[in-house]
Amino acid sequence: GAVVSQHPSWVICKSGTSVKIECRSLDFQATTMFWYRQFPKQSLMLMATSNEGSKATYEQGVEKDKFLINHASLTLSTLTVTSAHPEDSSFYICSARVQGQETYNSPLHFGNGTRLTVT
Amino acid sequence: DAKTTQPNSMESNEEEPVHLPCNHSTISGTDYIHWYRQLPSQGPEYVIHGLTSNVNNRMASLAIAEDRKSSTLILHRATLRDAAVYYCIPKAGGTSYGKLTFGQGTILTVHP
Repeated sequence: GAVVSQHPSWVICKSGTSVKIECRSLDFQATTMFWYRQFPKQSLMLMATSNEGSKATYEQGVEKDKFLINHASLTLSTLTVTSAHPEDSSFYICSARVQGQETYNSPLHFGNGTRLTVT
Repeated sequence: DAKTTQPNSMESNEEEPVHLPCNHSTISGTDYIHWYRQLPSQGPEYVIHGLTSNVNNRMASLAIAEDRKSSTLILHRATLRDAAVYYCIPKAGGTSYGKLTFGQGTILTVHP
């Protein structure tokens, strides 16, 4: 149980275009989802916290107008990289916690990531 | 968040036990110690977590020092599938849900 699915698993786009990445919780509902970015040979860096029905909370240094996050339902959050540039090429990973378990030390469930290459 | 120190890398042979250490000397009294691992080209997966007592599950065991300033993740019999980056993450418990802060982790190599 507690499966998080990301789509697409990889995408190549041209500089200046926008790319949307979907994160779905398949067998549970998630009030909160998290978006991470990972550059090669580096650790995961939290980009933003996505809250269902409200605005996302971005970490310091992450441009909210460039990385648009929408959490329209309890099972879907999307990250749109707008006007992508080669430096946005990275591994984007989402995660979620089962709704109702936010007050406990329950684990985060991660998607398998989306590898974005901007040419 | 409490800072952690982990070895950059460790090696093991298949079917041997592996002890992955983590120092978290600034951990607060309410921080749980979480371990996640990340296989190549995948998202992280939860391994285990604990507060004070040692913990066991089907994946691993977690040994927590009495002063809680360090912990050790134990893989009892390493397999090739256990080759991954292992992250030790102190995280507040109780009502503080949410984000995990990942350090550099330990790259575990398992030799056949």
